[in-house]
Amino acid sequence: GESVGLHLPTLSVQEGDNSIINCAYSNSASDYFIWYKQESGKGPQFIIDIRSNMDKRQGQRVTVLLNKTVKHLSLQIAATQPGDSAVYFCAENPDFGNEKLTFGTGTRLTIIP
Amino acid sequence: NAGVMQNPRHLVRRRGQEARLRCSPMKGHSHVYWYRQLPEEGLKFMVYLQKENIIDESGMPKERFSAEFPKEGPSILRIQQVVRGDSAAYFCASSPQGNIQYFGAGTRLSVL
Repeated sequence: GESVGLHLPTLSVQEGDNSIINCAYSNSASDYFIWYKQESGKGPQFIIDIRSNMDKRQGQRVTVLLNKTVKHLSLQIAATQPGDSAVYFCAENPDFGNEKLTFGTGTRLTIIP
Repeated sequence: NAGVMQNPRHLVRRRGQEARLRCSPMKGHSHVYWYRQLPEEGLKFMVYLQKENIIDESGMPKERFSAEFPKEGPSILRIQQVVRGDSAAYFCASSPQGNIQYFGAGTRLSVL
């Protein structure tokens, strides 16, 4: 069935460098996407979202890019800090009018001091 | 404004017992969602509720699992006759009308 998947399961980045986490989705009808951060033992924390009528959205140190042509989503984190170490999930809302989210498997980001 | 509150944080049950997981949404949020997460995996949707109504339960197992969100009080996810395969982290999220879902810290269920 339709699913959201990630290209890389793990990513290690030097502190202060930028990181890019990628996500592929297969449901072309999805109109809404969210990135969540999950630290060990905690619930997912909202980072940033984007609607399908946009291709880029920026937050504080984070940028989400959406390429609908190839059904690809990415999360860029600038000037990474140790506190950025976590598992990052992309999620999509595949059914317009129904708010349930479909999550990808996740990418574990490790910041190297 | 308190976040989504889930309790208990950890729950241990023996096979065949019942598990009750509670979720209090954020103030002003009328939409509640339950997700399940196995170790090293993403969250899997279970059920979406609004006050006194189940909107979408397509992710709920047909047997032993039920959910409610009464007019008063928290949302309850109930698992009857638990089996070892039910061991997982169960997360509740809430939202106002709209898509951003805010998650609680989860309940970690262990079935012995």
